[in-house]
Amino acid sequence: DQQVKQNSPSLSVQEGRISILNCDYTNSMFDYFLWYKKYPAEGPTFLISISSIKDKNEDGRFTVFLNKSAKHLSLHIVPSQPGDSAVYFCALGGSQGNLIFGKGTKLSVKP
Amino acid sequence: DTGVSQDPRHKITKRGQNVTFRCDPISEHNRLYWYRQTLGQGPEFLTYFQNEAQLEKSRLLSDRFSAERPKGSFSTLEIQRTEQGDSAMYLCASSSSTAPDTQYFGPGTRLTVL
Repeated sequence: DQQVKQNSPSLSVQEGRISILNCDYTNSMFDYFLWYKKYPAEGPTFLISISSIKDKNEDGRFTVFLNKSAKHLSLHIVPSQPGDSAVYFCALGGSQGNLIFGKGTKLSVKP
Repeated sequence: DTGVSQDPRHKITKRGQNVTFRCDPISEHNRLYWYRQTLGQGPEFLTYFQNEAQLEKSRLLSDRFSAERPKGSFSTLEIQRTEQGDSAMYLCASSSSTAPDTQYFGPGTRLTVL
């Protein structure tokens, strides 16, 4: 039973345009939501997070949106750069401490 | 401090052998987590420690797996009698209890069981 779904395995975007990565979840019990970026042969790198009491958090080119009623999380990257090409994971966390990850979306930003 | 470190980065072993991995967290972090990642999947939680206490274990952590954090600093993950299905990337992460939502990951240990 998959609690976190990233339905797009891959996404291709032109440099300078907006990248939108999506994530849906089934359980409303989570307290915070995170996005991680992963390059091959490296561990995931924390990007940005949002708590369940907010609906938007922005950090430079990265903005995370949370729609609790739709149980939907998205990450916007604007403008996209070739160095953003990586696999992006959404992750959900609660009071237990562990994170539950989606399967990831591979983003390719073309020059 | 340069972040979470893991050793070894790669391990190849034969089925039935025991293996042990080490994780050194960010020094001021009191929480330490172990995850496993297989191809095409996101990281899956195995267990976590707050200081030296192991507070939660996933059902993925069979009785062949054991983790320790004896002094509340580094941690080891041991797999006994390895099976081919244990082949995966084993990731360690750490966080502070005041900001548990932000977990910082190490580079991982890639285990291949032949």
